[in-house]
Amino acid sequence: EVQLQQSGAELVKPGASVKLSCKTSGYTFSNYYMSWLKQMPGQNIEWIGNIYGGNGGTGYNQKFKGKATLTVDKSSSTAYMDLSSLTSEDSAVYFCARLTTEDAFDYWGQGVMVTVSS
Amino acid sequence: DTVLTQSPALAVSPGERVTISCRASESVSTLMHWYQQKPGQQPTLLIYLASNLESGVPARFSGSGSGTDFTLTIDPVEADDTATYYCQQSWNDPPTFGSGTKLEIK
Repeated sequence: EVQLQQSGAELVKPGASVKLSCKTSGYTFSNYYMSWLKQMPGQNIEWIGNIYGGNGGTGYNQKFKGKATLTVDKSSSTAYMDLSSLTSEDSAVYFCARLTTEDAFDYWGQGVMVTVSS
Repeated sequence: DTVLTQSPALAVSPGERVTISCRASESVSTLMHWYQQKPGQQPTLLIYLASNLESGVPARFSGSGSGTDFTLTIDPVEADDTATYYCQQSWNDPPTFGSGTKLEIK
């Protein structure tokens, strides 16, 4: 069974950084892209970027360049996203999701709430 | 970015047929996908490439369309289908989502 398990909720101060994790199981991590997505409360879903589990190759939404940095640890089948220089606009639920060959997101993590507040 | 426009809300009774529409600001070929999201949960994939049913999804769900106009149909609707439904395109970069259609079952 494919599973994507995300780290717990984060409360961080403005200007700080946070690193989110997405530990996977049940499939060959290096054969798929992992995407990260943002959903603000009651709002639309935004695609942040992709990272390939095989070689760490990345692609970003221009809007999130400089804000998000995606990495992977193949040895633990885990994807990471660093968010930097956090502001209140970064308060949201962040999801990791596996990207299929048809460019759809077929498995999602449970989401992690990031709250930016002093 | 490609804008996907969905009607904000619908209300139907159990057993009825409901169609949820999604219009793209530019052609997305058939690279359109549909998701269901219940409150407090992650989205789940229902339909990929406009009309293909994801494994494990009930056959009550179907999708159609190409180019700029797409439809998700649920027939018949059940009480458990209460959720927000999102369309998402992956033809143009970056991938984008519609604003969601909130489906209420009366």
